[in-house]
Amino acid sequence: TQLLEQSPQFLSIQEGENLTVYCNSSSVFSSLQWYRQEPGEGPVLLVTVVTGGEVKKLKRLTFQFGDARKDSSLHITAAQPGDTGLYLCAGEKAGKSTFGDGTTLTVKP
Amino acid sequence: EAGVAQSPRYKIIEKRQSVAFWCNPISGHATLYWYQQILGQGPKLLIQFQNNGVVDDSQLPKDRFSAERLKGVDSTLKIQPAKLEDSAVYLCASTADRAPITEAFFGQGTRLTVV
Repeated sequence: TQLLEQSPQFLSIQEGENLTVYCNSSSVFSSLQWYRQEPGEGPVLLVTVVTGGEVKKLKRLTFQFGDARKDSSLHITAAQPGDTGLYLCAGEKAGKSTFGDGTTLTVKP
Repeated sequence: EAGVAQSPRYKIIEKRQSVAFWCNPISGHATLYWYQQILGQGPKLLIQFQNNGVVDDSQLPKDRFSAERLKGVDSTLKIQPAKLEDSAVYLCASTADRAPITEAFFGQGTRLTVV
């Protein structure tokens, strides 16, 4: 089983603060995805990273794939209440995706 | 473009009862997935269809869960009989033909509560 561990499990911060959440595994993945899921909705894909060491930026979100393609991080700059949600990572290998259990982020105004 | 449609949005049943969920994927999407998401956990794949054929059902509890996609378009997932631990959100997702799983679009899910 390709286990993905996400940390922290819960994070509550004030608007304007920066934060980083992590996704770690002992397995090597072909690619890794980050999703955001709001209550009552399905996950929505934010980004896919493929190359070891790759960094992708999406407005205030910065995603990094580890050099060994086993781990990833998501950094949010100047968090806003609209960033509140469950952040899921998923590792893809041989056409199958395995999801982590997510980080629940709450950004207070 | 219409998204993945699921119904019902919510369902409450007693244990040992039966329940069925319906999913209509994005038009033209050949691959359809059913996931189970228990509160506090990430989605877990139950079954994957390619058109009307099953690609992967290795994590489907076949003693009580069944799924079909007879015409290769919409799909139903059934639980019979339901157990308390089946309480979860059931998510349907789809991808275009030959698209990787990483390009899947998810529906809003059906929240099942078994009491």
